[in-house]
Amino acid sequence: QKEVEQDPGPLSVPEGAIVSLNCTYSNSAFQYFMWYRQYSRKGPELLMYTYSSGNKEDGRFTAQVDKSSKYISLFIRDSQPSDSATYLCAMNSGGYQKVTFGTGTKLQVIP
Amino acid sequence: SAVISQKPSRDICQRGTSLTIQCQVDSQVTMMFWYRQQPGQSLTLIATANQGSEATYESGFVIDKFPISRPNLTFSTLTVSNMSPEDSSIYLCSVEGTDYNEQFFGPGTRLTVL
Repeated sequence: QKEVEQDPGPLSVPEGAIVSLNCTYSNSAFQYFMWYRQYSRKGPELLMYTYSSGNKEDGRFTAQVDKSSKYISLFIRDSQPSDSATYLCAMNSGGYQKVTFGTGTKLQVIP
Repeated sequence: SAVISQKPSRDICQRGTSLTIQCQVDSQVTMMFWYRQQPGQSLTLIATANQGSEATYESGFVIDKFPISRPNLTFSTLTVSNMSPEDSSIYLCSVEGTDYNEQFFGPGTRLTVL
């Protein structure tokens, strides 16, 4: 079983839709949770960074962590064609432990 | 945020040869990381490179296959040695931001081995 599971998609939604991207994980030691966005032929860029459980909002993006269920989500409101990219979840247990990434979900927002 | 460049951006190489990938950062950083990204697979950490010390390799990666240099605080190289088609992948370098978990990535080097 992989430490981090993420549906690869692709996920196609119409412009303006609310998008929900999710990851599950098995390592209960994970405390730091990140979402990266990766455009085609580019490196990943950090979108959201949260610690422990709860919600964090930044503009149209909301990151949600449920440690009891080992489940994290990224919500995108009012999705735009420019949001079309692959979204990678990532997490680690703190200190200088390596960051573990999901395989990424490819999102396409249709105009 | 750091600006990172990588050279080459892509290459096609023959089996048995070696390729050195360069990573340049626009500011001094302590930790640099090298990742491999294969289709349908997650980003996999190859090694962590600190200036002035030997690189630390993750399980499954060895120095003979992926030698790394870190001559100063803004530059690193990763060599993929004695390549086989299984080494075809995107190789990414990244650097630590204000926090260990906040990493800035380069654009990647797309390697195809024939």
